[in-house]
Amino acid sequence: AQSVSQHNHHVILSEAASLELGCNYSYGGTVNLFWYVQYPGQHLQLLLKYFSGDPLVKGIKGFEAEFIKSKFSFNLRKPSVQWSDTAEYFCAVNYGGSQGNLIFGKGTKLSVKP
Amino acid sequence: DAGVTQSPTHLIKTRGQQVTLRCSPISGHKSVSWYQQVLGQGPQFIFQYYEKEERGRGNFPDRFSARQFPNYSSELNVNALLLGDSALYLCASSLKLAGFTDTQYFGPGTRLTVL
Repeated sequence: AQSVSQHNHHVILSEAASLELGCNYSYGGTVNLFWYVQYPGQHLQLLLKYFSGDPLVKGIKGFEAEFIKSKFSFNLRKPSVQWSDTAEYFCAVNYGGSQGNLIFGKGTKLSVKP
Repeated sequence: DAGVTQSPTHLIKTRGQQVTLRCSPISGHKSVSWYQQVLGQGPQFIFQYYEKEERGRGNFPDRFSARQFPNYSSELNVNALLLGDSALYLCASSLKLAGFTDTQYFGPGTRLTVL
């Protein structure tokens, strides 16, 4: 079955620390990959996306992600986190085909200490 | 431009009742998808509609139904509510059938509590 795994349930960092959140998806051929963020009290917002081309994708607010096809991974990174990055982060995959639905991971809650 | 809007924001129902949730997509978007997000989990796909036709259905019972109107807004109906239906229901819209090279944009959700 198609699935998405996010390895960390809750990550706690101090400001200025580097961040890497893991995301792996089950094999399913060609995929589109997304990271969404949900800030406290706000709705899901698109952080970045990969459709094709350069496997290193840059998103908003200094985030980037790298698609490694051989590892079925799409890890999210940020060199230096800020308190305002405190949020829940969701990796999502679209496996294409006739349905365009997204399959989400369970999410990683990031808490940044000032 | 307005984003995806959903109503109501919150809803409290009792077991066995029926509920209707509403969604208005971003102007110009023709595809609407519904997701259920249970506390502590990622969103799970329920339905996708494009040009008023159902184009996808997730693994949800027949108590869940939806439709899309000529103005591309959508309703999600849930009959015979169970305690386990308590969740945040998200609506997402995209320009076309949300497949390759398209992106879904999410609304704020409707928080449904079933007592």
